[in-house]
Amino acid sequence: EIVLTQSPATLSLSPGERATLSCRASQSISSYLAWYQQTPGQAPRLLIYDASNRATGIPARFSGSGSGTDFTLTISSLEPEDFAVYYCQQRSNWPLTFGGGTKVEIK
Amino acid sequence: EVQLLESGGGLVQPGGSLRLSCAASGFTFSNYAMSWVRQAPGKGLEWVSTISGSGGSTYYADSVKGRFTISRDNSKNTVHLQMNSLRAEDTAVYHCAKAGRAAPAGTSWFDPWGQGTLVTVSS
Repeated sequence: EIVLTQSPATLSLSPGERATLSCRASQSISSYLAWYQQTPGQAPRLLIYDASNRATGIPARFSGSGSGTDFTLTISSLEPEDFAVYYCQQRSNWPLTFGGGTKVEIK
Repeated sequence: EVQLLESGGGLVQPGGSLRLSCAASGFTFSNYAMSWVRQAPGKGLEWVSTISGSGGSTYYADSVKGRFTISRDNSKNTVHLQMNSLRAEDTAVYHCAKAGRAAPAGTSWFDPWGQGTLVTVSS
């Protein structure tokens, strides 16, 4: 099973600041990584698929990069609605796995 | 617009059974794999099971293998999760999710997700 480790667990930032979230895989997953955003009481929402492709309707301030074992989700300038929990997910191998999440909170 | 609506959750005793359903609309259902992903209260996301578009291939997490069965009815645009021998650790919100890409088989990201149905396993 491929283990995804997200860091940091919590990121405390102010609106307008840049957020950099990390996801590290226990073995190479090529570019088969997705990122999701979840706000309280809501279902997760797809942001990025296959490492760097923005999903439909996702603002350009969200970007993804990386390949192999190290991946990054960047939010260039935080908007109030971006304070949420973010998860990464790999689709390289079964079983599909998620990272433990990074909470982006208001500083 | 793609819509996924789960139903069937509730309170069940340990060792009991429950059948979840997900009604889908807004896309060609048989072209997409469908999955169940769960989230225990206050915890992260855990993939549970996936079924291919035709229904011919199914995949399960080790934690549910042998106890849960995923199925689909392409004539009714629905996917089901039959859960048997339920345990306290199965308590979670169960989300139905559509594969992000149309492919006969293989893995995918999830897009979109349903709001979920709560399953509580307790005596």
